[in-house]
Amino acid sequence: AQTVTQSQPEMSVQEAETVTLSCTYDTSESDYYLFWYKQPPSRQMILVIRQEAYKQQNATENRFSVNFQKAAKSFSLKISDSQLGDAAMYFCAYRSAWGKGGGADGLTFGKGTHLIIQP
Amino acid sequence: NAGVTQTPKFRVLKTGQSMTLLCAQDMNHEYMYWYRQDPGMGLRLIHYSVGEGTTAKGEVPDGYNVSRLKKQNFLLGLESAAPSQTSVYFCASRGLRAEQYFGPGTRLTVT
Repeated sequence: AQTVTQSQPEMSVQEAETVTLSCTYDTSESDYYLFWYKQPPSRQMILVIRQEAYKQQNATENRFSVNFQKAAKSFSLKISDSQLGDAAMYFCAYRSAWGKGGGADGLTFGKGTHLIIQP
Repeated sequence: NAGVTQTPKFRVLKTGQSMTLLCAQDMNHEYMYWYRQDPGMGLRLIHYSVGEGTTAKGEVPDGYNVSRLKKQNFLLGLESAAPSQTSVYFCASRGLRAEQYFGPGTRLTVT
């Protein structure tokens, strides 16, 4: 079974600075998707960024970018110019492209990183 | 366009009671999912559905049943609630680019 590990339970960064959240995963598959979700205190799960394993180019969404290292099975999230509204739990998630569900598999989540923004 | 909605938002049950959580999506998605989130944990998959009339077990299905009678609705049932089922429950549907859209969650407490 796939596993997702987020080794940083909590991170703190000054407003306007850059922070990187780590994520590693374990899989024997070659085709899969990776995601970062944000969960603010409202508990709503918000998609931040998405990466397809077959694409070598790292995904970017405005101030959010990833460093996807397929061989190392690493998928870190970089937040540039941190803002107070970025404070939240961040979850890394994996989904097999095919898996036993024939492509319908749910997401496998890490335990999350609590990001604190210092004003 | 409401996306994914969940009913109710909060519920308190006594051990042994039953209840049904309702999830509705208006995005015409085929795939829908139920997850639970416990303190200090990421979400874990309970059951999922690949279309109307179909359901399948996820990682933690014991104690739950589901039904997908209509494409837009996915119901999660607890027949005999236990304290171990105290959790926050999330429903999600899957878009065309493999991303999942989540509802706002239901906080369930079983005493």
